[in-house]
Amino acid sequence: GAGVSQSPSNKVTEKGKDVELRCDPISGHTALYWYRQSLGQGLEFLIYFQGNSAPDKSGLPSDRFSAERTGGSVSTLTIQRTQQEDSAVYLCASSRGTGTGRTEAFFGQGTRLTVV
Amino acid sequence: AQTVTQSQPEMSVQEAETVTLSCTYDTSESDYYLFWYKQPPSRQMILVIRQEAYKQQNATENRFSVNFQKAAKSFSLKISDSQLGDAAMYFCASSEGYGQNFVFGPGTRLSVLP
Repeated sequence: GAGVSQSPSNKVTEKGKDVELRCDPISGHTALYWYRQSLGQGLEFLIYFQGNSAPDKSGLPSDRFSAERTGGSVSTLTIQRTQQEDSAVYLCASSRGTGTGRTEAFFGQGTRLTVV
Repeated sequence: AQTVTQSQPEMSVQEAETVTLSCTYDTSESDYYLFWYKQPPSRQMILVIRQEAYKQQNATENRFSVNFQKAAKSFSLKISDSQLGDAAMYFCASSEGYGQNFVFGPGTRLSVLP
């Protein structure tokens, strides 16, 4: 597709359940980022993938959060045993990442996660 | 480590007037990039303008321009001839070097009054 695609757009889950959020980056973009945005707040960095390098997981808030990126393309963010404080919009972005000329990050429309 | 600060949680401007949003940042790198993103109620983050740190000339995109003060580590956004469609959250962001993470400020909510 032309842009970053995230699914689902909205997800309501019960506390304690696991959820998977999907991100399809722009084709050819080597860098992929996950951010969390709580209501009315800024963007909190979660994890960053760059090509075949080991991901930067320094932003993951707990071991209940994990992410993978298969074949350097699609990424899945998994939250295990969801808690109410996990409720937020999860934004994915991709960029060319490396090479001559830094480009901006292109964002998906996010997944709004509500834990009830 | 990079940090980005936006000291104005909310701003308002009259339609057709000019408004300036403030941003300060900190980085230990000499190679970095600065960005302003707009997030309307639709949630979609949209790039407004970008600035390469090695360029002295301030970036301009139509009604949007920046005042990049490298020594002061300041990167403010000026919106001229404000329009109702400019109402949104505005986030300042920085990115160090090649393939590095983007760090965002807490955002400024801009209201445009008719």
